[in-house]
Amino acid sequence: QKEVEQNSGPLSVPEGAIASLNCTYSDRGSQSFFWYRQYSGKSPELIMSIYSNGDKEDGRFTAQLNKASQYVSLLIRDSQPSDSATYLCAVNLSRGSTLGRLYFGRGTQLTVWP
Amino acid sequence: SAVISQKPSRDICQRGTSLTIQCQVDSQVTMMFWYRQQPGQSLTLIATANQGSEATYESGFVIDKFPISRPNLTFSTLTVSNMSPEDSSIYLCSVESALADTQYFGPGTRLTVL
Repeated sequence: QKEVEQNSGPLSVPEGAIASLNCTYSDRGSQSFFWYRQYSGKSPELIMSIYSNGDKEDGRFTAQLNKASQYVSLLIRDSQPSDSATYLCAVNLSRGSTLGRLYFGRGTQLTVWP
Repeated sequence: SAVISQKPSRDICQRGTSLTIQCQVDSQVTMMFWYRQQPGQSLTLIATANQGSEATYESGFVIDKFPISRPNLTFSTLTVSNMSPEDSSIYLCSVESALADTQYFGPGTRLTVL
């Protein structure tokens, strides 16, 4: 059973604050990790991918991966009301010629209030 | 990223009928995936569809209920057969990127079964 766990929230932060979203996974063989953002009524949109231990930064977003502890997190700096969405964590066992299926968490609902 | 379209975007159907959902990609892709997202829930993989072979179904999903076609590298269909209100959901197709390092989602089909 490959499980991906996220705090369902809701997580509420004021505008300008740092939002911290966490995800743990059960399969130590997981190789690829993704964060998707899903606005209400819309499909998931990829915002970050990470494959190696450590931090990966892209604008206001930082993904952090710790394979030993089997967790991956997403930090959103200077949070904006437009960041209000559900954030889905996804993991995969492969990294190579074929990615294959992703395993998704239930998602964390984030609200950024002005 | 690939541009993915789905038809229809939404539909309201009667119990016992069937609906076929189309997924079109603007580039050739090897792997396509069909997901279901029930209200307030995360994504559940229905099946993986590779061109030229039978779809691979996840536990709890069967071909008689969710037949899938994959006639070429840019197109797939998912049929929801003999529908019941429990089939009311958003159905999403996704494709693996050209580098096989992530997945992108179509806009989804919102299905309501009365």
